[in-house]
Amino acid sequence: EPEVTQTPSHQVTQMGQEVILRCVPISNHLYFYWYRQILGQKVEFLVSFYNNEISEKSEIFDDQFSVERPDGSNFTLKIRSTKLEDSAMYFCASRGRGNANTEAFFGQGTRLTVV
Amino acid sequence: DAKTTQPNSMESNEEEPVHLPCNHSTISGTDYIHWYRQLPSQGPEYVIHGLTSNVNNRMASLAIAEDRKSSTLILHRATLRDAAVYYCIPGGRGNTGKLIFGQGTTLQVKP
Repeated sequence: EPEVTQTPSHQVTQMGQEVILRCVPISNHLYFYWYRQILGQKVEFLVSFYNNEISEKSEIFDDQFSVERPDGSNFTLKIRSTKLEDSAMYFCASRGRGNANTEAFFGQGTRLTVV
Repeated sequence: DAKTTQPNSMESNEEEPVHLPCNHSTISGTDYIHWYRQLPSQGPEYVIHGLTSNVNNRMASLAIAEDRKSSTLILHRATLRDAAVYYCIPGGRGNTGKLIFGQGTTLQVKP
């Protein structure tokens, strides 16, 4: 069964450092997303990406965040200068062709710990 | 965004059916009703979705009220592996398909 893969599974970084979280969505999918989940809280939408550009972003997704799909397979989330409050699980998701109401596939997440 | 109301938690016995309710009285006419679940320490997982008619798949059934203001996810025979947080999500909004997660219902399954 196709799956979304995320690396690394756990990332520890110092406050102020840049981090890049990586995702390989399911091939032939067209819609890509990042979500985050702070420990004990609900899953929060960060950004959606379609046709090589951001299609929507939340208030959380400020200038410190950026996304890229550099080579047609990877989908990355960069946080330029991490803060303690960026510590969370980050989930990548992708959807298939044609209809944004199709099933979204989520990765297993990257646990980001900012110290 | 359409608001949803789900019970914070529910319990079930293994191999018994489970009915998980959701109220979404402000849902728009074009929004689908999606259900996802999140097992402990895992990413969310798609369960089922529908628009107006009841839907069945290998995981569950979705019963949608005629006025679409509520729906019920039905697990026909709960297993221990079904213990998870279940989210009812109206949407995918517009063309982006983003999912807005609420607090969901934490389902405990007793052996």
